[in-house]
Amino acid sequence: SQQGEEDPQALSIQEGENATMNCSYKTSINNLQWYRQNSGRGLVHLILIRSNEREKHSGRLRVTLDTSKKSSSLLITASRAADTASYFCATDASDTGGFKTIFGAGTRLFVKA
Amino acid sequence: DAGITQSPRHKVTETGTPVTLRCHQTENHRYMYWYRQDPGHGLRLIHYSYGVKDTDKGEVSDGYSVSRSKTEDFLLTLESATSSQTSVYFCAISWTGANTEAFFGQGTRLTVV
Repeated sequence: SQQGEEDPQALSIQEGENATMNCSYKTSINNLQWYRQNSGRGLVHLILIRSNEREKHSGRLRVTLDTSKKSSSLLITASRAADTASYFCATDASDTGGFKTIFGAGTRLFVKA
Repeated sequence: DAGITQSPRHKVTETGTPVTLRCHQTENHRYMYWYRQDPGHGLRLIHYSYGVKDTDKGEVSDGYSVSRSKTEDFLLTLESATSSQTSVYFCAISWTGANTEAFFGQGTRLTVV
């Protein structure tokens, strides 16, 4: 089974609104990453947060990590139509020696103009 | 795109035939990964490599083999293609494994008929 699972599976919002996506995982991790995928394209890395960090920002992105709950959230503020994409969390599962990156099933975000 | 080329980009093949997908990188990254992406499952790790001739299995390795004889090339072989292997296949590379960002190729759409 997959290490990370995103919630919700799909999200539709108006331009200018904030979008929040959640990720839960099962085993201990060293870090958690978020990626974006535009339709028909490869994944693009957004942000990495390490297990000893609780929050990280990058432009309009804010990621939080709660290792006690084994969960993370990705907040996109002031969303734009161009943010329409699928978003994936990915973890390293520390018991794999740090080699494998395991992805969740993703959240599909649709931002209406 | 970070110097990753997947070939072919599209392929249709018949059940029972062997198929080889190629991932070529120009970034000299040590780690290389093969994922498959299917609706509802996100990305699932097939095999990965942590150096020349060093490979290991991922979540869904049955029916697949890999080889890495040079740093820049990672080959994925479907030994006898089945319809369940119809999918989009992504190659990814990373510098130091799962604790750094991964860079993805554009994907190979494989249809097994």
